[in-house]
Amino acid sequence: DAKTTQPPSMDCAEGRAANLPCNHSTISGNEYVYWYRQIHSQGPQYIIHGLKNNETNEMASLIITEDRKSSTLILPHATLRDTAVYYCIVKNTGNQFYFGTGTSLTVIP
Amino acid sequence: DAGVIQSPRHEVTEMGQEVTLRCKPISGHNSLFWYRQTMMRGLELLIYFNNNVPIDDSGMPEDRFSAKMPNASFSTLKIQPSEPRDSAVYFCASSLRGQGYEQYFGPGTRLTVT
Repeated sequence: DAKTTQPPSMDCAEGRAANLPCNHSTISGNEYVYWYRQIHSQGPQYIIHGLKNNETNEMASLIITEDRKSSTLILPHATLRDTAVYYCIVKNTGNQFYFGTGTSLTVIP
Repeated sequence: DAGVIQSPRHEVTEMGQEVTLRCKPISGHNSLFWYRQTMMRGLELLIYFNNNVPIDDSGMPEDRFSAKMPNASFSTLKIQPSEPRDSAVYFCASSLRGQGYEQYFGPGTRLTVT
C-alpha cells in the first residue's frame, strides 16, 4: 500500500472549516484514500473514503487531486468535538490498514 | 446497532498471568481485526479473520499471543504469560467485506501488566 505524509499537528478556530492535507504521491490506480479519526481514549472512527471523485457525507468532504497524488479532508464547520488525530490511509481492496501517525487537529474556541 | 463490543474495558494484571480479551463484532460483519495501540508504536494490526478463519497473523508479536474466532459473533485475544511490555490499548474492529471495507472499531481494552 502507498505511503502517506501528513502534517503532525494543526489548529483550527471553532466554526471555521478545517482542511487537513495528505500526500500520497506513490498511490496506484486501484488504491483508495480513506480517512479515519481517533478522539482521545476512543477507537478510530471511519470518516470517508474515495477513489478518484470528490466525496461528501454528513461528516466531511474529501477532495482528491486529478493526479491522485494528494487529497484534503474538509470539516466544513469545526467544533470542539472534532479535536482528534486524523489518519489518512491509502490501500487497495485488501483488508489491511496502516494507520501511521496522523495529524493531531486541535479546534480552538 | 450496538456497534463493536469489547470486554473488559480495563484490565490490570500481574506479570505472568493469563489475560483474555473479548470482542463481539457488528452483526452481519464477516471480517474481524485485532489491533494494539501504544505511544511508541502507534496502532498496529495484530491479526485479522475472514469468515471466522485467521487470514494473517503476522502482526502477532510472539507465541504468547493467540486469537480465536469460534463463531461469527465472538472472538478472543489471549496473552499467556503476560509481560509489562504488553501494556497497551487493544482494539477490535469489524467490517463487511465487499462494502468499501471500512472498519468499525470497538472502544478498546486498556491493559496494564504490572
